[in-house]
Amino acid sequence: RKEVEQDPGPFNVPEGATVAFNCTYSNSASQSFFWYRQDCRKEPKLLMSVYSSGNEDGRFTAQLNRASQYISLLIRDSKLSDSATYLCVVEGVHKAAGNKLTFGGGTRVLVKP
Amino acid sequence: EADIYQTPRYLVIGTGKKITLECSQTMGHDKMYWYQQDPGMELHLIHYSYGVNSTEKGDLSSESTVSRIRTEHFPLTLESARPSHTSQYLCATSPWGLEDTQYFGPGTRLTVL
Repeated sequence: RKEVEQDPGPFNVPEGATVAFNCTYSNSASQSFFWYRQDCRKEPKLLMSVYSSGNEDGRFTAQLNRASQYISLLIRDSKLSDSATYLCVVEGVHKAAGNKLTFGGGTRVLVKP
Repeated sequence: EADIYQTPRYLVIGTGKKITLECSQTMGHDKMYWYQQDPGMELHLIHYSYGVNSTEKGDLSSESTVSRIRTEHFPLTLESARPSHTSQYLCATSPWGLEDTQYFGPGTRLTVL
């Protein structure tokens, strides 16, 4: 089982609609969670951190469910520019030493006019 | 936003050549990482460093090597490139702190013929 799992999509979303997707993680000791955005052939960029109480940044809302070990991302009023791959990222403990981030495979979102 | 530079951005090279991918940052971040990402696939950590003279192997076995002689630089070297090394290589940095937010460079797209 992968440490971080995501539905690869693509999620085809009409412009203006709301889309939501989840990510599950296997390490119950994980403390930090993030959503990154990656455009085609570009580097990942931090979209938002995910806090226990849930948090919102404009049209984006992230939720954390520790009991079920998943995080979610909701995008309201989708824009064409929201088309990207959204990477779920979980902080875990590396085998050798220290902490590291584990990236999910990404969920591809396509917003269409 | 972190300033992270990777050179070259694109490299096409023949089998057996020695190559060095450069990564430099101006933020003074102690932690640096190298990821390998094939098109449409997830990122895999291949090397990381927690500071000068610190280097560790990541999750994905790689024939590449790294060095960290200076805080600002984290070069990755392949002694003898092979077609199986064709991929995108992404460098990232992270400051010490409660959250392991990582900032990515633009990546080097390597093609080995």
